[in-house]
Formats: sequence, structure tokens, C-alpha cells
Amino acid sequence: NAGVTQTPKFQVLKTGQSMTLQCAQDMNHNSMYWYRQDPGMGLRLIYYSASEGTTDKGEVPNGYNVSRLNKREFSLRLESAAPSQTSVYFCASRLGTPPLHFGNGTRLTVT
Amino acid sequence: DAKTTQPNSMESNEEEPVHLPCNHSTISGTDYIHWYRQLPSQGPEYVIHGLTSNVNNRMASLAIAEDRKSSTLILHRATLRDAAVYYCILRDLTAGTASKLTFGTGTRLQVTL
Repeated sequence: NAGVTQTPKFQVLKTGQSMTLQCAQDMNHNSMYWYRQDPGMGLRLIYYSASEGTTDKGEVPNGYNVSRLNKREFSLRLESAAPSQTSVYFCASRLGTPPLHFGNGTRLTVT
Repeated sequence: DAKTTQPNSMESNEEEPVHLPCNHSTISGTDYIHWYRQLPSQGPEYVIHGLTSNVNNRMASLAIAEDRKSSTLILHRATLRDAAVYYCILRDLTAGTASKLTFGTGTRLQVTL
């Protein structure tokens, strides 16, 4: 039972490159979330998916796209990375009631 | 969305109780109060949640003011492993699975020997 798994753990991109952050959960949870955390800051919600087939914008969606591929997987795509997107990205999931389960994060640097 | 206000940082001595406050003066009747904590280099983890009554679990206690405009997370005996950032967030029960669960900047707890 792995919980929430994020890949990759670390990534360095050049400005303008694209990449997809992967997230998978094995807890049969309905809702999945993507957050970003800048150094010394709290978490900000990028996108979330209340259930398979639905996605909604959070606080900071610009520059990102998401796909809820199936119930298990929720990916985050950066089409043209910018230095302002340097951050730690956390994926989370929950069944419908607390608690929210988080992955260990992807540390992304854009140069 | 109703917002929460927490002190930026707090300090505690090991094995002493810690009271972490959270103000949520605009809380609605259907907002649950949740607490999470984030250890260094890890994702946040759930601590406790409540609606109106005080709650206890193996990690902590949650004391909710009678008017629900504030709450306090209580760690009964702080240890060095409790050093983390603690987040108080509100979740609207009526939003169901679509609720956004917005985090603030939290309180950084330092625990010293």
C-alpha cells in the first residue's frame, strides 16, 4: 500500500521546456489535488479533481494543465516552463471526508 | 472562502504542552476545522479535525471556542519530532468532494531541549 506516489522526485528544466508531473494513488480515493509550495511559503492549490472525469482550477492555475487519466492518476503538465514555476509540487488525494493524503513532493527547478 | 489566521512561529520546550492558536472569525456554520502539519522535506500530514465539540486523538487535541471563531491545537507533550509547520484550514461540509481545501502559511513550531 504505497499511498500517494509522485514521480519524478527531482527535475531541472530550462525555460520553455515542457514536462508532466505524475501522481498516482492506490487508496481508491475520489478527489485528487495539485499544490505548489514556494520556499518558506504555505501551499497554494493549482488544480483539483473532485472525481474521475472532472477538473477545476484552484488559486494559481495559470501556466499549468491537468489530466485525470483515471481514478488512480492525476497528472500536472507545464507546457512552457518559467523560472517562476520553480517550486515543490505536492499531489494529494482523499476519499470525500478527511484526511487528505499527500505525496512526498516533486522538487522542480527551472533555469 | 473563510480564512484562517495563525502566528508565524512559536517555540516550546520538549515535554511541555503546546497550544497552537487559529483565528477564523468568518467561519460559517458548515465549515469543519482541520489541522495538518508538515515535517521538514515531507508532504503535509493530517492531525485532527472538528466541527463544534472538542476532539481528541492519539496525536493531539482540538479545542474549539463556543462561538467557533477560534480554535486551538494542543500537543500534550511536545517532542523534537513535533517540530513542524502546523496548518489550520477550513472545509465547507456542503461543498462535498468539490471543496478546495486552501492552506495558509501556517505556524512554524520549534521544539528545544
